[in-house]
Amino acid sequence: KAGVTQTPRYLIKTRGQQVTLSCSPISGHRSVSWYQQTPGQGLQFLFEYFSETQRNKGNFPGRFSGRQFSNSRSEMNVSTLELGDSALYLCASYPGGDFREQYFGPGTRLTVT
Amino acid sequence: AQTVTQSQPEMSVQEAETVTLSCTYDTSESNYYLFWYKQPPSRQMILVIRQEAYKQQNATENRFSVNFQKAAKSFSLKISDSQLGDTAMYFCAFMRWGTSGSRLTFGEGTQLTVNP
Repeated sequence: KAGVTQTPRYLIKTRGQQVTLSCSPISGHRSVSWYQQTPGQGLQFLFEYFSETQRNKGNFPGRFSGRQFSNSRSEMNVSTLELGDSALYLCASYPGGDFREQYFGPGTRLTVT
Repeated sequence: AQTVTQSQPEMSVQEAETVTLSCTYDTSESNYYLFWYKQPPSRQMILVIRQEAYKQQNATENRFSVNFQKAAKSFSLKISDSQLGDTAMYFCAFMRWGTSGSRLTFGEGTQLTVNP
């Protein structure tokens, strides 16, 4: 069974631009969560989606948004990029009924210049 | 709000020896899970072991075991027979679960280096 995939793996953007990151969960998994990892703030929860509905949201500004499609693939969008948005963005998927089975993708490394 | 604390930013161990990583957490929840994740230089987050709070028996996965002290809110990871491939950042994580979904709260991490 293929693991969680994230695209692109690396991205360089300029301040003020917007970016969209994609996450494809493990086949059969209906839930996707997103996390931001930075050296200063560590790992922080962004949002969680289950069956196309946002079920949980972390403490991030409205510039951070996401969605989930009917095939469980998820995208997150960051508008008006700031230097502080430079981070590793991790996506995790799990079956939906079992919170314990969370598996992470390799991450997308976003650099904002 | 839940908090997770890992008081050891860095640790090192000789190959084949045993090492214990510490983690404490704070919560008023009764239904939760605890996890240890490993993040090697590739940055891939890998699940090492998990513990359900309602289980008294400590979880074990091959060379990895935990010491779960619920009353003390302590959740340490023991790695036996350390191998060079165990070199990584280790994160302790808490998950509250319920009808409103789930989210992982991570500690700051412990960088473990296994020396030959």
